[in-house]
Amino acid sequence: NAGVTQTPKFQVLKTGQSMTLQCAQDMNHEYMSWYRQDPGMGLRLIHYSVGAGITDQGEVPNGYNVSRSTTEDFPLRLLSAAPSQTSVYFCAISTGYNEQFFGPGTRLTVL
Amino acid sequence: KQEVTQIPAALSVPEGENLVLNCSFTDSAIYNLQWFRQDPGKGLTSLLLIQSSQREQTSGRLNASLDKSSGRSTLYIAASQPGDSATYLCAVQGSSNTGKLIFGQGTTLQVKP
Repeated sequence: NAGVTQTPKFQVLKTGQSMTLQCAQDMNHEYMSWYRQDPGMGLRLIHYSVGAGITDQGEVPNGYNVSRSTTEDFPLRLLSAAPSQTSVYFCAISTGYNEQFFGPGTRLTVL
Repeated sequence: KQEVTQIPAALSVPEGENLVLNCSFTDSAIYNLQWFRQDPGKGLTSLLLIQSSQREQTSGRLNASLDKSSGRSTLYIAASQPGDSATYLCAVQGSSNTGKLIFGQGTTLQVKP
């Protein structure tokens, strides 16, 4: 998890609330991604970015927004939280073709 | 659509055994394959990365092989220890340069003392 930080570690939301999951890196890697991990579903890609100002959708983007204004930060926004978004969220970084590094995760519960 | 499968889903072995974890993928057009370890309630730790042009990578007691043509990779763990108990995940990156990974669902390993 070196070089990738995620905040908060835990969060409980009520249905309809909004929040932002933070991801920051100090390794100057171009590529950043958000995954969610659910029992029986494995890890699935939500959104990804290949550089500042460039983002695209992954496999399960609905209900989430992202932006990438700097190389270091890639926040994930939940606009109106739903119970189906209860999950563990991981941020990952890489240089593209090489090894990916994951953050420690944010555990989100939506009531 | 790329699909990644890991068999078995769970494995329990006595300490000291050599073991093999399997990973298969449906589309052989990959850039690389990465093996991760995940401890309960924790994040993912990278173990080994195999580029598409490589056949295997080794790190300590771990050896990962890649056969693109058959869509398979194996993770070999020598002389297993209780500290190896964890979930092992494999993930492939497709041929487009986006850093996107597709994961298998993992093999949960228990090494008994």
